[in-house]
Amino acid sequence: ETGVTQSPTHLIKTRGQQVTLRCSSQSGHNTVSWYQQALGQGPQFIFQYYREEENGRGNFPPRFSGLQFPNYSSELNVNALELDDSALYLCASSLVFQDGTDTQYFGPGTRLTVL
Amino acid sequence: AQSVTQLGSHVSVSEGALVLLRCNYSSSVPPYLFWYVQYPNQGLQLLLKYTSAATLVKGINGFEAEFKKSETSFHLTKPSAHMSDAAEYFCAVSDRNQGGKLIFGQGTELSVKP
Repeated sequence: ETGVTQSPTHLIKTRGQQVTLRCSSQSGHNTVSWYQQALGQGPQFIFQYYREEENGRGNFPPRFSGLQFPNYSSELNVNALELDDSALYLCASSLVFQDGTDTQYFGPGTRLTVL
Repeated sequence: AQSVTQLGSHVSVSEGALVLLRCNYSSSVPPYLFWYVQYPNQGLQLLLKYTSAATLVKGINGFEAEFKKSETSFHLTKPSAHMSDAAEYFCAVSDRNQGGKLIFGQGTELSVKP
């Protein structure tokens, strides 16, 4: 158990809809990252939030957006869903040290299916 | 740009045999490297990490990995496989120039035969 929780576990949406996924970080962590893992692939970095500000973004379109709240919980929002958005969405929390080292601890993921 | 290559998308070993999962990386800066394991329908669990201290890193469940700069490798080993080791294994490098985002390999599925 990492202490990182995600909700919901599974979600089914139709093309064009919007979805919000939630993540609760491990206690004491100040950074949250989101990853998309398509079937049979390694996770792909979507973006990262550090102290409520976006701190890096991967190669994902603007319809993927996020928020980090003062209690370090986080949301991933996806607008105008496409079939290719079907994937496991993973949240990872970490505590970034002054020397830049950190270890990311992953939640169990949310399985999104877009029909 | 940093990248990770995992050699072999599927590895099969017998119970009690040596496990060797291969990972090569590309990085313009001294890398931080990680191995994660993923069981079916679950998230990723950290096995071990290398952050420029000892080159031989010991992790959980009897796994270890050795950082070899000259070979740009970070292979994962376990002396004796257990049935419970069957899972997907991911090698990752941390991009410290971009907030420590993880760049993952494609993964290696480990099967353990009785």
